[in-house]
Amino acid sequence: AQSVTQLGSHVSVSEGALVLLRCNYSSSVPPYLFWYVQYPNQGLQLLLKYTTGATLVKGINGFEAEFKKSETSFHLTKPSAHMSDAAEYFCAVIYGNTGFQKLVFGTGTRLLVSP
Amino acid sequence: DAGITQSPRHKVTETGTPVTLRCHQTENHRYMYWYRQDPGHGLRLIHYSYGVKDTDKGEVSDGYSVSRSKTEDFLLTLESATSSQTSVYFCAISESKIDGYTFGSGTRLTVV
Repeated sequence: AQSVTQLGSHVSVSEGALVLLRCNYSSSVPPYLFWYVQYPNQGLQLLLKYTTGATLVKGINGFEAEFKKSETSFHLTKPSAHMSDAAEYFCAVIYGNTGFQKLVFGTGTRLLVSP
Repeated sequence: DAGITQSPRHKVTETGTPVTLRCHQTENHRYMYWYRQDPGHGLRLIHYSYGVKDTDKGEVSDGYSVSRSKTEDFLLTLESATSSQTSVYFCAISESKIDGYTFGSGTRLTVV
Protein backbone atom coordinates (compact mmCIF):
# COMPACT_ATOMS: atom_id res chain seq x y z
CA ALA A 1 0.00 0.00 0.00
CA GLN A 2 1.10 3.51 -0.68
CA SER A 3 2.19 5.29 2.47
CA VAL A 4 3.98 8.31 3.84
CA THR A 5 5.92 8.19 7.09
CA GLN A 6 6.81 11.22 9.13
CA LEU A 7 9.28 10.43 11.87
CA GLY A 8 8.43 12.17 15.11
CA SER A 9 5.00 13.50 15.96
CA HIS A 10 6.69 16.41 17.76
CA VAL A 11 9.99 18.16 17.12
CA SER A 12 11.33 20.83 19.46
CA VAL A 13 14.00 23.35 18.51
CA SER A 14 15.33 26.58 19.90
CA GLU A 15 14.91 29.80 18.00
CA GLY A 16 17.81 30.13 15.55
CA ALA A 17 18.49 26.38 15.42
CA LEU A 18 18.27 24.14 12.38
CA VAL A 19 14.87 22.66 11.62
CA LEU A 20 14.76 19.13 10.20
CA LEU A 21 11.45 17.36 9.65
CA ARG A 22 11.67 13.88 8.18
CA CYS A 23 9.48 12.31 5.52
CA ASN A 24 9.81 8.94 3.80
CA TYR A 25 7.50 7.49 1.21
CA SER A 26 6.92 4.04 -0.19
CA SER A 27 6.85 3.90 -3.93
CA SER A 28 8.31 2.06 -6.85
CA VAL A 29 7.30 4.80 -9.26
CA PRO A 30 8.36 8.44 -9.29
CA PRO A 31 6.18 10.43 -6.93
CA TYR A 32 5.11 14.02 -6.69
CA LEU A 33 5.98 15.28 -3.22
CA PHE A 34 4.57 18.11 -1.14
CA TRP A 35 4.99 19.75 2.22
CA TYR A 36 2.09 21.60 3.78
CA VAL A 37 1.99 23.75 6.91
CA GLN A 38 -0.98 24.22 9.20
CA TYR A 39 -1.13 27.06 11.70
CA PRO A 40 -3.56 26.78 14.61
CA ASN A 41 -7.22 26.86 13.59
CA GLN A 42 -6.37 27.26 9.93
CA GLY A 43 -6.37 25.13 6.81
CA LEU A 44 -3.30 23.67 5.14
CA GLN A 45 -1.01 25.88 3.11
CA LEU A 46 1.41 24.61 0.51
CA LEU A 47 5.04 25.16 1.55
CA LEU A 48 6.81 23.58 -1.40
CA LYS A 49 6.60 20.77 -3.91
CA TYR A 50 8.74 18.48 -6.00
CA THR A 51 7.44 17.30 -9.37
CA THR A 52 10.38 16.93 -11.74
CA GLY A 53 13.77 18.52 -12.31
CA ALA A 54 16.01 19.86 -9.57
CA THR A 55 15.86 17.67 -6.50
CA LEU A 56 16.44 20.55 -4.07
CA VAL A 57 13.33 22.68 -3.95
CA LYS A 58 12.81 25.95 -2.14
CA GLY A 59 9.55 27.05 -0.64
CA ILE A 60 8.05 29.88 1.29
CA ASN A 61 9.33 31.21 4.62
CA GLY A 62 12.90 29.98 4.03
CA PHE A 63 12.06 26.26 3.95
CA GLU A 64 13.56 23.83 1.50
CA ALA A 65 13.44 20.09 0.88
CA GLU A 66 15.52 17.60 -1.04
CA PHE A 67 14.15 14.66 -2.97
CA LYS A 68 16.44 11.65 -2.54
CA LYS A 69 15.23 8.78 -4.66
CA SER A 70 17.78 6.29 -3.30
CA GLU A 71 16.56 6.95 0.24
CA THR A 72 12.88 7.46 -0.71
CA SER A 73 12.99 10.61 1.39
CA PHE A 74 11.85 14.21 1.16
CA HIS A 75 13.03 15.86 4.37
CA LEU A 76 12.12 19.47 5.13
CA THR A 77 14.76 21.85 6.47
CA LYS A 78 15.22 25.44 7.50
CA PRO A 79 18.61 26.78 8.58
CA SER A 80 17.35 28.99 11.39
CA ALA A 81 14.04 28.52 13.19
CA HIS A 82 11.81 31.45 14.00
CA MET A 83 9.07 31.57 16.59
CA SER A 84 6.53 32.02 13.81
CA ASP A 85 7.50 28.60 12.38
CA ALA A 86 5.68 26.85 15.22
CA ALA A 87 2.96 24.88 13.43
CA GLU A 88 2.09 21.41 12.22
CA TYR A 89 3.76 20.17 9.08
CA PHE A 90 2.42 17.50 6.74
CA CYS A 91 4.28 15.60 4.08
CA ALA A 92 2.13 14.35 1.22
CA VAL A 93 2.65 12.27 -1.89
CA ILE A 94 0.90 11.64 -5.15
CA TYR A 95 1.97 8.48 -6.87
CA GLY A 96 2.02 7.65 -10.53
CA ASN A 97 2.19 9.57 -13.73
CA THR A 98 -1.06 8.52 -15.33
CA GLY A 99 -4.68 8.53 -14.37
CA PHE A 100 -6.33 10.09 -11.38
CA GLN A 101 -4.21 9.94 -8.26
CA LYS A 102 -5.07 11.10 -4.79
CA LEU A 103 -2.88 12.90 -2.33
CA VAL A 104 -1.74 10.68 0.56
CA PHE A 105 -0.75 12.43 3.77
CA GLY A 106 1.60 11.58 6.57
CA THR A 107 0.34 11.89 10.13
CA GLY A 108 2.03 15.23 10.67
CA THR A 109 4.85 16.66 12.79
CA ARG A 110 4.23 19.45 15.24
CA LEU A 111 7.15 21.87 15.38
CA LEU A 112 7.69 23.61 18.70
CA VAL A 113 10.06 26.59 18.81
CA SER A 114 11.37 27.85 22.14
CA PRO A 115 13.00 31.23 22.79
CA ASP B 1 -8.10 30.13 1.30
CA ALA B 2 -9.09 32.42 -1.52
CA GLY B 3 -11.41 30.68 -3.98
CA ILE B 4 -12.65 27.99 -1.63
CA THR B 5 -15.02 28.43 1.28
CA GLN B 6 -16.50 25.99 3.73
CA SER B 7 -19.69 26.40 5.71
CA PRO B 8 -20.43 26.34 8.51
CA ARG B 9 -17.10 26.95 10.26
CA HIS B 10 -18.33 25.43 13.49
CA LYS B 11 -21.24 23.16 14.28
CA VAL B 12 -22.49 21.26 17.29
CA THR B 13 -25.07 18.60 16.62
CA GLU B 14 -26.73 15.75 18.44
CA THR B 15 -26.10 12.07 17.88
CA GLY B 16 -28.41 10.60 15.28
CA THR B 17 -29.15 13.80 13.41
CA PRO B 18 -28.19 14.36 9.76
CA VAL B 19 -25.61 17.04 9.05
CA THR B 20 -24.55 18.62 5.77
CA LEU B 21 -21.31 20.49 5.24
CA ARG B 22 -20.80 22.65 2.19
CA CYS B 23 -17.73 23.38 0.13
CA HIS B 24 -17.89 26.10 -2.49
CA GLN B 25 -15.17 26.98 -4.98
CA THR B 26 -14.80 29.82 -7.46
CA GLU B 27 -11.76 28.37 -9.25
CA ASN B 28 -13.63 26.04 -11.62
CA HIS B 29 -11.33 23.18 -10.60
CA ARG B 30 -12.35 19.73 -11.71
CA TYR B 31 -11.46 17.77 -8.59
CA MET B 32 -12.87 18.26 -5.10
CA TYR B 33 -12.16 16.33 -1.93
CA TRP B 34 -13.38 15.94 1.62
CA TYR B 35 -10.89 15.05 4.34
CA ARG B 36 -11.22 14.67 8.07
CA GLN B 37 -8.40 15.54 10.42
CA ASP B 38 -7.94 13.77 13.73
CA PRO B 39 -4.96 13.77 16.13
CA GLY B 40 -2.53 11.00 15.30
CA HIS B 41 -4.15 10.26 11.95
CA GLY B 42 -3.26 13.26 9.85
CA LEU B 43 -5.74 13.85 7.06
CA ARG B 44 -7.83 10.97 5.79
CA LEU B 45 -9.82 11.07 2.58
CA ILE B 46 -13.57 10.61 2.96
CA HIS B 47 -14.88 11.11 -0.57
CA TYR B 48 -13.78 12.86 -3.69
CA SER B 49 -15.26 14.08 -6.94
CA TYR B 50 -13.75 14.14 -10.40
CA GLY B 51 -16.60 16.00 -12.06
CA VAL B 52 -20.25 16.92 -11.76
CA LYS B 53 -22.14 13.91 -10.45
CA ASP B 54 -18.94 11.86 -10.49
CA THR B 55 -17.87 10.86 -7.00
CA ASP B 56 -16.04 8.03 -5.34
CA LYS B 57 -15.17 6.75 -1.89
CA GLY B 58 -12.01 7.42 0.02
CA GLU B 59 -10.48 5.44 2.85
CA VAL B 60 -12.98 6.46 5.58
CA SER B 61 -16.28 6.78 3.75
CA ASP B 62 -18.57 4.76 6.05
CA GLY B 63 -21.37 6.94 7.43
CA TYR B 64 -20.79 9.71 4.88
CA SER B 65 -22.29 10.56 1.52
CA VAL B 66 -21.53 13.32 -0.95
CA SER B 67 -23.13 15.10 -3.84
CA ARG B 68 -21.90 17.37 -6.56
CA SER B 69 -24.64 18.81 -8.75
CA LYS B 70 -22.59 21.81 -9.85
CA THR B 71 -18.89 22.28 -10.50
CA GLU B 72 -18.58 24.78 -7.69
CA ASP B 73 -20.34 22.92 -4.87
CA PHE B 74 -19.44 19.70 -3.09
CA LEU B 75 -21.64 18.65 -0.20
CA LEU B 76 -20.73 16.20 2.54
CA THR B 77 -23.58 14.62 4.49
CA LEU B 78 -23.36 12.67 7.70
CA GLU B 79 -26.45 10.55 7.43
CA SER B 80 -26.82 9.94 11.17
CA ALA B 81 -24.10 11.66 13.15
CA THR B 82 -22.14 9.70 15.74
CA SER B 83 -19.61 10.84 18.33
CA SER B 84 -16.82 9.20 16.31
CA GLN B 85 -17.52 11.73 13.58
CA THR B 86 -16.47 14.60 15.81
CA SER B 87 -13.59 16.01 13.83
CA VAL B 88 -12.32 18.86 11.72
CA TYR B 89 -13.42 18.52 8.12
CA PHE B 90 -11.46 20.02 5.26
CA CYS B 91 -12.45 20.49 1.68
CA ALA B 92 -9.79 20.70 -1.01
CA ILE B 93 -9.73 21.40 -4.72
CA SER B 94 -7.30 20.66 -7.51
CA GLU B 95 -7.04 20.90 -11.26
CA SER B 96 -3.76 19.11 -11.73
CA LYS B 97 -1.81 16.81 -9.44
CA ILE B 98 1.33 18.78 -10.21
CA ASP B 99 -0.14 21.84 -8.54
CA GLY B 100 -1.17 20.04 -5.39
CA TYR B 101 -4.35 20.83 -3.55
CA THR B 102 -5.83 24.06 -2.21
CA PHE B 103 -7.57 23.67 1.13
CA GLY B 104 -10.47 25.44 2.73
CA SER B 105 -10.34 26.73 6.30
CA GLY B 106 -12.14 23.76 7.74
CA THR B 107 -15.35 22.97 9.62
CA ARG B 108 -15.10 21.93 13.24
CA LEU B 109 -17.92 19.49 13.93
CA THR B 110 -18.81 18.30 17.40
CA VAL B 111 -21.34 15.50 17.85
CA VAL B 112 -22.76 15.32 21.38
